Amino acid sequence: AQSVTQLGSHVSVSEGALVLLRCNYSSSVPPYLFWYVQYPNQGLQLLLKYTSAATLVKGINGFEAEFKKSETSFHLTKPSAHMSDAAEYFCAVSYSGGSNYKLTFGKGTLLTVNP
Amino acid sequence: NAGVTQTPKFRILKIGQSMTLQCTQDMNHNYMYWYRQDPGMGLKLIYYSVGAGITDKGEVPNGYNVSRSTTEDFPLRLELAAPSQTSVYFCASSYPEVRAGGPFEQFFGPGTRLTVL
Repeated sequence: AQSVTQLGSHVSVSEGALVLLRCNYSSSVPPYLFWYVQYPNQGLQLLLKYTSAATLVKGINGFEAEFKKSETSFHLTKPSAHMSDAAEYFCAVSYSGGSNYKLTFGKGTLLTVNP
Repeated sequence: NAGVTQTPKFRILKIGQSMTLQCTQDMNHNYMYWYRQDPGMGLKLIYYSVGAGITDKGEVPNGYNVSRSTTEDFPLRLELAAPSQTSVYFCASSYPEVRAGGPFEQFFGPGTRLTVL
């Protein structure tokens, strides 16, 4: 069974500071990994996805994530936070097997950006 | 394309009432999903469908029913609403498989906020 753990339900950074949101996964087969962002009162929007083509994945709005198999991690980073980055972020996993159309989501990390 | 649309946006139900949450997508996606989102709990899969006429239970199906008569529509039915069903409900859809075993990006609707009193 696959699972995702997001470390830290709430992360607070200053504007211009590094953003680091942590995600660890558990999967018995090679995973596909996703980061989604949810702005207040909206649905989820895909930020980026790992599909085994490259370990460093670049997404929208300056975010990127690195797949580290040895650490079973897929942490999300952005060099310089902007006020508009304030949102909730979800890591999700599926795997290259029969049910690859189903995602398992982490519990989310709420990012606050302080001026 | 409108993408995934959901109606209504908000609804208040009394205990024991029933209702249908509507979901429509115009992207010709085979796969559709219903999730509920509760604070601090992430998204839990209620039901999903791999095509018209085919549905299956997800992680938390109790108290809900679905049907999929067309590719575009995937309504979620709540029978005998209970306070535990107070939540935000999201519908999503996925594009057809590009390559065998390939990943499925899910596209989400804006959600329905349901309160059961």
